[in-house]
Amino acid sequence: DGGITQSPKYLFRKEGQNVTLSCEQNLNHDAMYWYRQDPGQGLRLIYYSQIVNDFQKGDIAEGYSVSREKKESFPLTVTSAQKNPTAFYLCASSWSYTIYFGEGSWLTVV
Amino acid sequence: RKEVEQDPGPFNVPEGATVAFNCTYSNSASQSFFWYRQDCRKEPKLLMSVYSSGNEDGRFTAQLNRASQYISLLIRDSKLSDSATYLCVVNTPGGATNKLIFGTGTLLAVQP
Repeated sequence: DGGITQSPKYLFRKEGQNVTLSCEQNLNHDAMYWYRQDPGQGLRLIYYSQIVNDFQKGDIAEGYSVSREKKESFPLTVTSAQKNPTAFYLCASSWSYTIYFGEGSWLTVV
Repeated sequence: RKEVEQDPGPFNVPEGATVAFNCTYSNSASQSFFWYRQDCRKEPKLLMSVYSSGNEDGRFTAQLNRASQYISLLIRDSKLSDSATYLCVVNTPGGATNKLIFGTGTLLAVQP
């Protein structure tokens, strides 16, 4: 089946640790995105990539890093510099301005 | 003013009711419009695109009013399974790439 796979679905992080969220897509989409969603708030763009080996900061990139070494993969690292990382993280890809989401990853800082 | 605004609700309606949501956008250059559905603790899923001529998919009808800069979603004969948050998404040209702007969503609760 074609789609976007995110892992892990649930992740607990100790303060001061870096964690990496995986995102893989087999839709052959060029554009990929990472969003963050907090309770009662809309989606906020962290990073996006229009093509392999290129990515751009979104609205809330501080404390996050990404890479795009392959078309299919767009991992997100939540660094210790991110002050409030507990949230629902959504990876997405798009074609012709229509965006499709993975199932999301829940990150909790303990 | 927010780029995309939605009434957060909740909209509490009985089964079988007709309910309508509006979403306003601020950038008149916006080109593409979508409604997404998001269930609790799940990812958003595309419900329908919104075309200038309006479009219908079963019990769902989407309309675009460019002059007043809003889009609407009408749900007829509401089902319990329609209970979800409905997100308005607007694609706006900007810089090197088009930019997708998400509304904060409207919560619909269909009551038995």
